[in-house]
Order: sequence, then structure tokens, then C-alpha cells
Amino acid sequence: NAGVTQTPKFQVLKTGQSMTLQCAQDMNHNSMYWYRQDPGMGLRLIYYSASEGTTDKGEVPNGYNVSRLNKREFSLRLESAAPSQTSVYFCASRYSTSTGELFFGEGSRLTVL
Amino acid sequence: DQQVKQNSPSLSVQEGRISILNCDYTNSMFDYFLWYKKYPAEGPTFLISISSIKDKNEDGRFTVFLNKSAKHLSLHIVPSQPGDSAVYFCAASEESGGGADGLTFGKGTHLIIQP
Repeated sequence: NAGVTQTPKFQVLKTGQSMTLQCAQDMNHNSMYWYRQDPGMGLRLIYYSASEGTTDKGEVPNGYNVSRLNKREFSLRLESAAPSQTSVYFCASRYSTSTGELFFGEGSRLTVL
Repeated sequence: DQQVKQNSPSLSVQEGRISILNCDYTNSMFDYFLWYKKYPAEGPTFLISISSIKDKNEDGRFTVFLNKSAKHLSLHIVPSQPGDSAVYFCAASEESGGGADGLTFGKGTHLIIQP
């Protein structure tokens, strides 16, 4: 059982470069989420997709875009990376659009120089 | 403004004793609360939850207590084991209001179990 799979696990970028973080879940979940974790800041919501075909901004959306490619996949794109986007990114999913626990991937560590 | 607060960045407990992790919230619309456990280089994993209609939920060594009037919840681990050493996140959501935007997390408490 793969659960939530994120790629890549590690990435180093230069300021201004772009990249896409990929996330896929095989649990037939409806809702998907992107969080970032920074030291002393906990987990902060970037974007979410409550159901296939919808996306919405979370707490810290600036500098990011997302695509809900299909029910399984939810990608996060950095168009012009900045050092402030150095972080660990977590993708999560859950079956319900409104209740229950989230299932997290293992994380993607991004460093922007 | 932080809606879920974990005021203790770290906590050290002796093996076999009780670990008590605390969490406060400010949003009175929150009605579902969860605890997650996170090991280094791994994603958070769900531990235990509680609905606002309850004041206690137990699962093995883990018990969560909810005090709605004080807007406070706590996680008790008895007895504490070395494998419990991890970062614990408190999380909350407003499910009666839709809850589509997932969970709001605290900053986490690093629990260290001393042998």
C-alpha cells in the first residue's frame, strides 16, 4: 500500500528557477492538500483541493500554483523560486471533503539558494 | 493570529512515566481535534482524535482530553516508551462549517523519552 507518494524527496534550486512537486494517492481520496513545514512554525496550508476539479488557497499561497490533474494527483508548482520557499513540503489526502484525519506523504525537502 | 497553540516546544519525560502534551485553541468554531506524531524525515501520522461532543477519547496508551470551556486539550501517554520520542502536533478543524480546508496545526511539541 503506497498511500501518498511525493516526488522528488529532495531538490536544490537557484533563486528564480521553477519546479513542480508531484503528489499521488492511491486511496481513492477526494480531498488533497499541500502544507509546508518550517522550524518553529508547524504545518501551514498552502493550497487544497476539496474535490476533483476544484482548488482553493490556504494560509500561505503566495508564490505557488497548484493543479488537480485527476482524482489521484495534485501538483504544486513554484514558478520563480525564492529563498523564503526553502522548506519541507507535505502532501496529504483524505476521503471526505469535510471531516476526518489527513494521510500524509513522506515530504519533499526543498532548498532555494 | 495563531488559532492552535502548543506553548511547550519540548518536553522531557522518563521512560515509564506519564507524558502530558498540551494544546490551546482560540477559534470557538473548532469542533474536531486530532493529534499527529512525526518522526524525523517522515510525514506526520495520525494518532488519535476527539469530537467536541466528547470530553475524553482513549486508545491504548493514548488518551485525549477536551475541555471546551477552557478551549484546551491534552494528550496523555501512559506509560511512556522510547519509541514515543517524536514531535507531536495538535490539529483542529471546523467540520460543522464545512471543514474543506483541512486542519489547522499547532507548532508542535518535541517529546523526548529519557531511559
